[in-house]
Amino acid sequence: QSALTQPPSASGSPGQSVTISCTGTSSDIGAYDYVSWYQQHPGKAPKLIIYEVNKRPSGVPDRFSGSKSGNTASLTVSGLQSDDAADYHCASYAGSNRGVFGTGTKVTVL
Amino acid sequence: EVQLVESGGGLVQPGGSLRLSCAASGFNFNKSWMTWVRQAPGKGLDWVANINDNGKQKYYVDSVKGRFTISRDNVRNSVYLQINTLRAEDTAVYYCARDSAYNRLDSWGQGTLVTVSS
Repeated sequence: QSALTQPPSASGSPGQSVTISCTGTSSDIGAYDYVSWYQQHPGKAPKLIIYEVNKRPSGVPDRFSGSKSGNTASLTVSGLQSDDAADYHCASYAGSNRGVFGTGTKVTVL
Repeated sequence: EVQLVESGGGLVQPGGSLRLSCAASGFNFNKSWMTWVRQAPGKGLDWVANINDNGKQKYYVDSVKGRFTISRDNVRNSVYLQINTLRAEDTAVYYCARDSAYNRLDSWGQGTLVTVSS
C-alpha cells in the first residue's frame, strides 16, 4: 500500500498546458481502470475532477483530461487559468476494497 | 445537495483517544460506501478506512489496523472513526467522503483537525 508517485510541482503560463504524472504498480494503476484525480485549493477539501481514468463529473471543464498507460496515469490541464493553481492528487483503486492516493503535485500558474 | 459535516477533532495527548463523526445529508446514505481520508500538515492525502452500505464490511490501511475503528449508523445518517492510542504522526485533517464506486470519492466534507501533542 505504498503511495503513488507524483512530481512535487509543475507549472505553466496562462493558456498553456501542464501534464502531471502518477506512477503506481501492477497492483493498483496497472490492474484497474479506476484512477481518479482531485483538485485541492489551499484550506479547502479536495474536489473530484476525473474518475475512471478519463471521465469528468458534471460541471468539470473539458480542459481537464486524464489518461493511463501501464502503471502510470496522467492528468493534463489545458488552457491554464489562474484558478487552476492548486494541489492535484491522483488516486487508484488498489483491490480488496481499498484505495491509495498519490503524493500530490502543486501546480503554479506563472 | 450532498452534504458531509465532520466533527470531533481537537487537541489530544499521545496515547489518547478521539471519536470523529461525519453527518451526511442530501443522498441515500444507507446505500453508500463511506471512506475516511486524512492529510497531515503540508502532505498529501492518505486513504485510511472505508465501510460498506450496511456496515458489515470494513477495510483499513495497514498502518492503522488495530487502533482505528470505522462504524456507521444508518438511522442517524452518520459514519464514525474511533481513533485509539493516538500518536504524533496521526496529526492531520480527517475528511469523510462518499465512495460512489471503486474509490471514486465524489463528495467530501470540510474536514476536522486532529492534533496529537503533549
